[in-house]
Formats: sequence, structure tokens, C-alpha cells
Amino acid sequence: NAGVTQTPKFRVLKTGQSMTLLCAQDMNHEYMYWYRQDPGMGLRLIHYSVGEGTTAKGEVPDGYNVSRLKKQNFLLGLESAAPSQTSVYFCASSQIHKGQPYGYTFGSGTRLTVV
Amino acid sequence: QQQVKQSPQSLIVQKGGISIINCAYENTAFDYFPWYQQFPGKGPALLIAIRPDVSEKKEGRFTISFNKSAKQFSLHIMDSQPGDSATYFCAAYIYNQGGKLIFGQGTELSVKP
Repeated sequence: NAGVTQTPKFRVLKTGQSMTLLCAQDMNHEYMYWYRQDPGMGLRLIHYSVGEGTTAKGEVPDGYNVSRLKKQNFLLGLESAAPSQTSVYFCASSQIHKGQPYGYTFGSGTRLTVV
Repeated sequence: QQQVKQSPQSLIVQKGGISIINCAYENTAFDYFPWYQQFPGKGPALLIAIRPDVSEKKEGRFTISFNKSAKQFSLHIMDSQPGDSATYFCAAYIYNQGGKLIFGQGTELSVKP
């Protein structure tokens, strides 16, 4: 029972390079989210998905793209990495039950450094 | 209007003391208020949560106090222990906006033995 798994755990990119962060969940959750965590700013929502094939923008979507081709996977892409994207990225998933989030679960994070 | 403001940014408490973290919000559409605990190198984990129709919720040493009219809520950790040392985040949630959480800025709690 892995929950939410993020890969990779660490990555160093050069400015302008691209990469994809993978999030996989095995709880059959409908909703998935990508957050970034920066010191003193809490977690900010980048993009989210309310079901397979759907995506929507969060608070800080610029410079990122996402895809949800399969229910269990949510991919976050950086097309041209910038130093401002140095952060810790968290994926989360949840189910909704009677109007409340149920089983909101976070992965262990991906620490990304852009030099 | 989507913001959740959290204070203090850091907190040092002696073992056995009470830790208090406060949050305030503006959007009255928020309908669920969880608190998350995060240890270094780990993702946030749900600690305790409350709905706006309840003024207080207690689970063990952790209590949420909720003041709907003031649009404020707080986390109280009774008998604080060194193992409680972590970063705590308050959050707020609106169901009809994809279930996304809006987080406070976080409070780094250190409990001294």
C-alpha cells in the first residue's frame, strides 16, 4: 500500500532544461494536485485534476504544464526550467465524500534545484 | 480573498507547555479547515480538521478552536513534547473549487526538553 509515490526525489537542472515529475497513486482517488513549497510561503497549488483527462490551473501555474492521461498518474512538466522554479514539489490525491475531502494524502516530495 | 494567514512563523515551547498557532481567513465560502503536520524531508500529514459549524474539536492533545464570526481558527497542542517539533500548516478548502487546499505560511515549532 504505497499511497502517493513521487519520482524522482531529487533533481538538479540547468536553466532552460526540461523535465517531468511523475506522481502515482494507488488509492483510486479521483482528485490529484501539484503543490510547490517555498520557505515562508506554505504550499501553493500549481495545477490540479478532478478526474482522468481533466486538468485546471491553480494559484501559480505559469511555467508548468500537467497531464492526467490515466487516473492513477499525474505528471508535472517544466518546459524551460528557471531558477525561480527551485522548490520542493508535492503531489497529493484525495477523494470526496459527502462534500468533504477524504483521504487527502501527500507524497514525500521532489526537491528540484535549477542552476 | 483566497488567502489564509498564519502566525507565528516560528515558536519555541518548553516540554509540557501549550503551543498555540493561529490562522485567519477572508473567504466565507471555505467549508473545511484542516491542520497538517510536516517533519523534515516528509510530505504534510493530516493532523486534525474542523468544519465551520463546530466551534471546537479535540483529538488527544490537539484541539482546534474555531471562531466563525472573527474568521479565525487556532491549533492548541497541550502538554507539548519534543516529538511534536515539526512545521504546522493550517489550510482551508472549498468543495466546489476542485477540492483544492489553500495553505497558511507554516509555523516551525520547536519543543525544548
